[in-house]
Amino acid sequence: NAGVMQNPRHLVRRRGQEARLRCSPMKGHSHVYWYRQLPEEGLKFMVYLQKENIIDESGMPKERFSAEFPKEGPSILRIQQVVRGDSAAYFCASSPGQGYYNEQFFGPGTRLTVL
Amino acid sequence: AQKITQTQPGMFVQEKEAVTLDCTYDTSDQSYGLFWYKQPSSGEMIFLIYQGSYDEQNATEGRYSLNFQKARKSANLVISASQLGDSAMYFCAMMGDTGRRALTFGSGTRLQVQP
Repeated sequence: NAGVMQNPRHLVRRRGQEARLRCSPMKGHSHVYWYRQLPEEGLKFMVYLQKENIIDESGMPKERFSAEFPKEGPSILRIQQVVRGDSAAYFCASSPGQGYYNEQFFGPGTRLTVL
Repeated sequence: AQKITQTQPGMFVQEKEAVTLDCTYDTSDQSYGLFWYKQPSSGEMIFLIYQGSYDEQNATEGRYSLNFQKARKSANLVISASQLGDSAMYFCAMMGDTGRRALTFGSGTRLQVQP
């Protein structure tokens, strides 16, 4: 049973370019979360999605960032016009349900570097 | 809203000794879950242990145990018989049954196991 998959593992972009990060949840999981980890910090929640719906995007910057989880295919976190401050590790997690008792399984993360 | 506090930025322990990593939390939720994750230098997030707020017994998973003191709002991780491979960042996290349906993480503790 494959775990949560993220690609690419490493992504380098120049300022002003777009970054697209992909996340395939574990089989049978319909709840996806995106977190961002700045260097030497803990993970910070960005957005929570279920299939075709954004449930909570309160942690995501209002501009340049968007997320989707289509009916078919992976969840996508999109960052437009990247800036140096976007350099971070972006983790995706999935769970079988939304209750607090459900473990979230994390992917390996995408390390974004903005030059 | 939830808040997690980890007051130990770094800890040292001798191999084969036990070590306790501190975690205190704050929440107004009646039901909630507490989680510990390990992040080795390779960067992935590894789930270690879970404690539910209504669990009467402290959680244990192999060499990991969670010292849960509800009245003090603390959820300390105890690692017994430390191994060199335990050297990593350790994050305490929680999720409640109301409000944001995502994990709130602490700032982490870097554990170094010395031979």
